[in-house]
Amino acid sequence: QSALTQPPSASGSPGQSVTISCTGTSSDVGGYNYVSWYQQHPGKAPKLMIYEVSKRPSGVPDRFSGSKSGNTASLTVSGLQAEDEADYYCSSYAGINNLVFGIGTKVTVL
Amino acid sequence: EVQLVESGGGLIKPGGSLRLSCAVSGFTFTNGWMSWVRQAPGKGLEWVGLIKAKNDGGTTHYAAPVKDRFSISRDDSKNTLYLQMNSLKSEDTAVYYCTIGFWNGRNWGQGTLVTVSS
Repeated sequence: QSALTQPPSASGSPGQSVTISCTGTSSDVGGYNYVSWYQQHPGKAPKLMIYEVSKRPSGVPDRFSGSKSGNTASLTVSGLQAEDEADYYCSSYAGINNLVFGIGTKVTVL
Repeated sequence: EVQLVESGGGLIKPGGSLRLSCAVSGFTFTNGWMSWVRQAPGKGLEWVGLIKAKNDGGTTHYAAPVKDRFSISRDDSKNTLYLQMNSLKSEDTAVYYCTIGFWNGRNWGQGTLVTVSS
């Protein structure tokens, strides 16, 4: 199972929006609505930000939103804040009790 | 508050074995699907495997790179998850995280570092 494709980096100024893509295939992203997004700060454990494409766990700001079209899922961070600078990973159910992660995107707040 | 605490990591020679533990509190462990995810130094996240709740069959499932070498188990009486790693290779060097859930890992431990080197 190949890793999902994400851009290696993305950036934006405070207050702006940034969108990260996560491209897979019809066997993973396109086939199931089980796409999640994780935020990871250096030296810390990942934190769930979005699950099942667009749902937010309690406590996650509504500045974070998710969507999906075909084989590509997206995470949008609106109103960028300094604390949003982190690595972001997508993941998708890939059938037959299998899970695949994206390669990760480093978000920089300029 | 839900807490997951991994332990058991360390330096091990290639071909060796190691067992990681993940102690869970603040959560009804019996009902939870539990996963292991690893992260090689400077690299991305990689799913290792899953164990379902006993009520859902208690079955285990593994990523291709570790299948037949790693084994996940759980002791619901101790609220503890395990990862038995055999025939370790240098490419297994990583921080190993336990997490509650499968496609939606809601809570994560702090991770334990496994270094496979001679």
